[in-house]
Amino acid sequence: DAKTTQPPSMDCAEGRAANLPCNHSTISGNEYVYWYRQIHSQGPQYIIHGLKNNETNEMASLIITEDRKSSTLILPHATLRDTAVYYCIVRGIHGSSNTGKLIFGQGTTLQVKP
Amino acid sequence: DVKVTQSSRYLVKRTGEKVFLECVQDMDHENMFWYRQDPGLGLRLIYFSYDVKMKEKGDIPEGYSVSREKKERFSLILESASTNQTSMYLCASRDRTPLHFGNGTRLTVT
Repeated sequence: DAKTTQPPSMDCAEGRAANLPCNHSTISGNEYVYWYRQIHSQGPQYIIHGLKNNETNEMASLIITEDRKSSTLILPHATLRDTAVYYCIVRGIHGSSNTGKLIFGQGTTLQVKP
Repeated sequence: DVKVTQSSRYLVKRTGEKVFLECVQDMDHENMFWYRQDPGLGLRLIYFSYDVKMKEKGDIPEGYSVSREKKERFSLILESASTNQTSMYLCASRDRTPLHFGNGTRLTVT
């Protein structure tokens, strides 16, 4: 699985967009980018995933560069409840035979401030 | 919404005890996973199961075993608990979807 690199921490003002970067320079052609977050004392929560096109859902947007070597998760209007650790993970298609084992790194701790 | 339920949020056990951590999912998923999470080490995969009675070792299986007698239930067993197994344990499941996690069991072994 491709390795990912994320900044250890970031701050964001409440109501502003939070842009969380992730580098995955060794990503291969069939690997997806997944984002999860973990709020204190809870299990990780799936946010979004993508292959090469930008994706948007009710929680966030995912922007993947054309060379696919990096991506950015965007929370358009961050709230205090978005304070969490955000994990960027690269893995083969989630229906692949190797069960979609996901390797979680250290993630980015996002602190949303009033 | 997928629901993954872990039977206990907090558990305190003594060294040498046999410990059972239970996990149930309600979406008929074939694949289920057990992770442990420790500060500075992230989430590490202990065991996973891709079908009833099938299991595979993850990255850190030593000291653990698992049981999958029914599709919806995946149990993690600590045969003889030790203090270095004090951790947060997370169960997850998926089929052709991203992983869905339970809220975790914080186990303390004294």
